[in-house]
Amino acid sequence: DAKTTQPTSMDCAEGRAANLPCNHSTISGNEYVYWYRQIHSQGPQYIIHGLKNNETNEMASLIITEDRKSSTLILPHATLRDTAVYYCIVRVAGDMRFGAGTRLTVKP
Amino acid sequence: NAGVTQTPKFQVLKTGQSMTLQCAQDMNHEYMSWYRQDPGMGLRLIHYSVGAGITDQGEVPNGYNVSRSTTEDFPLRLLSAAPSQTSVYFCATRGRTDTQYFGPGTRLTVL
Repeated sequence: DAKTTQPTSMDCAEGRAANLPCNHSTISGNEYVYWYRQIHSQGPQYIIHGLKNNETNEMASLIITEDRKSSTLILPHATLRDTAVYYCIVRVAGDMRFGAGTRLTVKP
Repeated sequence: NAGVTQTPKFQVLKTGQSMTLQCAQDMNHEYMSWYRQDPGMGLRLIHYSVGAGITDQGEVPNGYNVSRSTTEDFPLRLLSAAPSQTSVYFCATRGRTDTQYFGPGTRLTVL
């Protein structure tokens, strides 16, 4: 599986969009990009995933660059409850491995 | 529909003791896995299973055993607990949509 690089931490103002970047420069053609988040000490929660097209669901949008070497998770209107650690993972099959993620703090 | 359940929620062991962390799912998912999360760190994969009777090692398998006799259950056994195994343990399942569902975790302290 390709390695990912994410910033250690980010802040965002409540009500504003939170844009979380992820670099995956060694991604191969059939590897998907997944995003999960972990709120406090709960189990991680699935957010979204994509292969090459941009994706949107009720939680977030995923923008993948044309060369697929990086992606951005967008929370359009961040709330205090979105404060969490966000993990970007790339994989094609088999097990899913988590890095350290980005700690997002949404501030009032 | 309970999803993924883990027992116990909390456990304290003495060095050298053995125990089994239980994980059960009612989603009929073939894939199950165990992770550990040390304070301030990301999750690390211990063992995983792609179906009943099949298990494989993840990143940090030493000191842990697993078996998968049914689709529903995937217990994790600590053979001889060590303080380095103090951690939060998460069980997860994954279905055909490839979305991974996590249990609430077991918080283990080894003295």
